Order: sequence, then structure tokens, then C-alpha cells
Amino acid sequence: KAGVTQTPRYLIKTRGQQVTLSCSPISGHRSVSWYQQTPGQGLQFLFEYFSETQRNKGNFPGRFSGRQFSNSRSEMNVSTLELGDSALYLCASSPQVAGGYNEQFFGPGTRLTVL
Amino acid sequence: DQQVKQNSPSLSVQEGRISILNCDYTNSMFDYFLWYKKYPAEGPTFLISISSIKDKNEDGRFTVFLNKSAKHLSLHIVPSQPGDSAVYFCAATPKAAGNKLTFGGGTRVLVKP
Repeated sequence: KAGVTQTPRYLIKTRGQQVTLSCSPISGHRSVSWYQQTPGQGLQFLFEYFSETQRNKGNFPGRFSGRQFSNSRSEMNVSTLELGDSALYLCASSPQVAGGYNEQFFGPGTRLTVL
Repeated sequence: DQQVKQNSPSLSVQEGRISILNCDYTNSMFDYFLWYKKYPAEGPTFLISISSIKDKNEDGRFTVFLNKSAKHLSLHIVPSQPGDSAVYFCAATPKAAGNKLTFGGGTRVLVKP
């Protein structure tokens, strides 16, 4: 089975622009979560989508948004980019089998640099 | 407010010896705990997990211990191998929160040959 794929792998933007990152989960996985990793704040949960609905949300401003499509692929969008948005953005998918915790499988991430 | 803390940013250990990584948490709602390993330029890889109904879980060279009263968990790697050199993250979640993981800051492990 192919793993979680994220595109693009690297991205450079300037302040004020917006960006869209894409994530393709493992085939059959219905849950997709997004995380931000920065040197200062570590790994922080952004949001989770399941069956095209946002199920969980972290403490990030409204500039950060996401969506999930019927094939479980997900995109996240950051509008009005700030320097502090420079980070590694990680996507994780989960099979979401009923009962108990389901392991999350992470993609390699998208490295976003905001100049 | 850091709900999950890894107080040791780095750890150096000789090949063949035991590596012990520690993690503390403050949120009493956490009832599922995980350890991930991360190499540079890759996403985290799941290692081992433990539910709050257990105090120990073992998988090969990896053992996780949970002390609920102290809100502390540890990961033991025995024996340590050079390929174990990576950054290790502990993470926690209340099962009710589904896949919303709260991560610690990570511990960089260097295993010397």
C-alpha cells in the first residue's frame, strides 16, 4: 500500500500571500489530520477531517482552514501568510476503525518558507 | 500551557545499552499515549502505544511504562542500535478526542557505535 503523500514537498511564499497544501491519505483511510511543526512550538494539531467534515480543531487562527473531498484527499489553506507560518506541515491519515484508538500514519510533510 | 513535556532535549547512549526516554503530562483526560520516532525530512513513524488501563506494553526492543498517579510515561529501548538515532516524540490523547494528538517537544537520541 502506498503511504501518505503530500504535495508540494517544498514551498516558498511571501508575506500576505495564500497557500494550499495537499494530502492524499493511505487508500481506505477516512480520517485526515494536519499538524504544524516549528522549532519554537513543536508539533501542534491543526484540525482533523473525517467523511468530509471537520471533526476536531486545534488552537489556530481562522487563517488556517482545510477541507476533505469525497475520496478522502484533503487540502489545507493558509491565507494572508505571516513569517511565523514558516513550518513543516504534516498530514496524517487513520483508518478510523470503530472502537479504540486508531494509529495515525504520517506523510513526509510540506516545508513552507514565508519570506 | 504545555500539557505534554519531554524534559530531556537530547540523550546520548552507547550501542547495546538501554535508552530511557521520559515524558510527563498534566491533562487528566489523556487516556492513550503513543511514542513516535522521526528522522530528518520524514514524517513521524509510530513506535508503540499504551492505554491508561495498562501500566506496561512491550513490542520487541521497545517497552513503554505508564505511571498514571505520577502522570509519567517512559520508553525503554533495549538494546539501542545506531539506527535508533532519531528524534522521539511522546504524544497523548483522550480517546474521546479521536485523532487529536498533543505532542511533547521531542528528545533527540544519538546511539554511538
